[in-house]
Amino acid sequence: GENVEQHPSTLSVQEGDSAVIKCTYSDSASNYFPWYKQELGKRPQLIIDIRSNVGEKKDQRIAVTLNKTAKHFSLHITETQPEDSAVYFCAASTDSGGYQKVTFGTGTKLQVIP
Amino acid sequence: EAQVTQNPRYLITVTGKKLTVTCSQNMNHEYMSWYRQDPGLGLRQIYYSMNVEVTDKGDVPEGYKVSRKEKRNFPLILESPSPNQTSLYFCASRPLFPVQRNEQFFGPGTRLTVL
Repeated sequence: GENVEQHPSTLSVQEGDSAVIKCTYSDSASNYFPWYKQELGKRPQLIIDIRSNVGEKKDQRIAVTLNKTAKHFSLHITETQPEDSAVYFCAASTDSGGYQKVTFGTGTKLQVIP
Repeated sequence: EAQVTQNPRYLITVTGKKLTVTCSQNMNHEYMSWYRQDPGLGLRQIYYSMNVEVTDKGDVPEGYKVSRKEKRNFPLILESPSPNQTSLYFCASRPLFPVQRNEQFFGPGTRLTVL
């Protein structure tokens, strides 16, 4: 089955700096890679996603890059703000007929220091 | 309001006492899924359902059952709970179409403690 590794497990940055979180996956059939943000005590919420036919996607201060050959994808947050403090999860899944399993990484706790 | 609801939100029970956690969505989503969240392990998929009467195992299905008799409901059943099932459980749903939009909408979570 799919295996998703996520690093680092914790990350502290100064407000205004950039943060990068990296994930690797094992199943070359995976074709959809979402990122979820989970604030303390809240439910996970999608912040950005990317499909395997795209190398990069941006949404304001957030970007995701995908390297299919190396089987890794990364989340980039620029100009970090205190409200970016949360746990971030990457995930990999395959949209292939009836096969719809989703495998999440173990999460990265991001702390933005004002 | 479009939402995914779970009940109960908190539950403390004892080993072996059957329990059901309900999940309901009002967005007419075909796909529904259950996850458990444990410290250091992230979110792990238990079961998912592509539509009514169509369910399949995720990565950690042992000790759990599900059913999908109606499109809006996807209950999680623990026939004989054990302490290692103490966890935070999330239900999620998403539409199967359009394919480009795969965002899962999560419920508020159910914190289960098995003594």
